[in-house]
Amino acid sequence: KQEVTQIPAALSVPEGENLVLNCSFTDSAIYNLQWFRQDPGKGLTSLLLIQSSQREQTSGRLNASLDKSSGRSTLYIAASQPGDSATYLCAVPSSGGYQKVTFGIGTKLQVIP
Amino acid sequence: DAGITQSPRHKVTETGTPVTLRCHQTENHRYMYWYRQDPGHGLRLIHYSYGVKDTDKGEVSDGYSVSRSKTEDFLLTLESATSSQTSVYFCAISGGDRVNEKLFFGSGTQLSVL
Repeated sequence: KQEVTQIPAALSVPEGENLVLNCSFTDSAIYNLQWFRQDPGKGLTSLLLIQSSQREQTSGRLNASLDKSSGRSTLYIAASQPGDSATYLCAVPSSGGYQKVTFGIGTKLQVIP
Repeated sequence: DAGITQSPRHKVTETGTPVTLRCHQTENHRYMYWYRQDPGHGLRLIHYSYGVKDTDKGEVSDGYSVSRSKTEDFLLTLESATSSQTSVYFCAISGGDRVNEKLFFGSGTQLSVL
């Protein structure tokens, strides 16, 4: 059974700092990995999708890397802003089929002005 | 934003009553999903659909049923609601490409079972 772990569970940083969020998964036979953002009381917004054949994906100040063999992914946020405050979740297809996506519990990020 | 509408947004009901949540999409995506989100458990898949009248169970399907009579609508039914089903329910959609499988989520339904 696919299990996804995100460390740390919560993170508080001053504005402008660069930061890294971590995601690990137990079954490396994945097609892709996604990073999502969730604001309080809202649904999830897809940030980045990395295909299993890729090592990283970039979107603006966000960079996600994938090391499939070690079962790890990182989300790098450059020059953090208060608007980046949210919960960040990673997700991978489960062992039961690519349609069944398994989510981590998330990292709650607070960027202090 | 993907065109996904969940209704109702909030629902309070009593134990033992039936409840139906609706998800409507305007993207013509093949796959639709129901997740629940609980503190400490994250998002867990309840059921999903891969086409009209085609559905399959997720990891927490007990006590839930689903139906999909049209591409755009996916219904989640709690036949007899229990307090353990108090949760936030999210609908998601995707196109079915296993490599570029982006999930798009609705805004959620907050369900309270008293």
